[in-house]
Amino acid sequence: AQTVTQSQPEMSVQEAETVTLSCTYDTSESNYYLFWYKQPPSRQMILVIRQEAYKQQNATENRFSVNFQKAAKSFSLKISDSQLGDTAMYFCAFLTSGTYKYIFGTGTRLKVLA
Amino acid sequence: NAGVTQTPKFRILKIGQSMTLQCTQDMNHNYMYWYRQDPGMGLKLIYYSVGAGITDKGEVPNGYNVSRSTTEDFPLRLELAAPSQTSVYFCASSFASGAKNIQYFGAGTRLSVL
Repeated sequence: AQTVTQSQPEMSVQEAETVTLSCTYDTSESNYYLFWYKQPPSRQMILVIRQEAYKQQNATENRFSVNFQKAAKSFSLKISDSQLGDTAMYFCAFLTSGTYKYIFGTGTRLKVLA
Repeated sequence: NAGVTQTPKFRILKIGQSMTLQCTQDMNHNYMYWYRQDPGMGLKLIYYSVGAGITDKGEVPNGYNVSRSTTEDFPLRLELAAPSQTSVYFCASSFASGAKNIQYFGAGTRLSVL
């Protein structure tokens, strides 16, 4: 069975600084997808970024980028130039190709300090 | 475009009562999901549906039932509520599988069973 581990329950970062959130996963599958979702205090969860396992190039979306290390089964999220609006719970998620069931990590609560 | 709409936002139930959590999406998505989020935990899949008339169990289906008579609606039924069902419930939908399986979430229903 697949598992997703986020080892940092809480983190804080100063506004305009860079922060990296960690995620590791365990799977025997070779074809899968990884996602980072953001859940702001208003609670509606939204997609931040996604990565296809067969792609070697790390995904980037504006200030958000990932460091995908397939052999190490690591999928960290880097937030550059942190903004107050980045304050949220961040969930790492795993999806096996051809299935519909996401596996979510326990989340990292990020607080951006002014 | 409303996206995924959940009602109610909050509810308090007494042990043994029943209720239905409503979920509607207007994006014509085939796939719909119900999750629960307990404090400090990730999302756990309760039930999911890959189309009207088709539902299947997730990780934690006991104590719940679902139906999917239309593409738009995916209600979650709690029978004989128990304190262990105190949680925040999220409905989500997605258009496709694989990397395009971006989940769109509702704002959640906070349920307390006392």
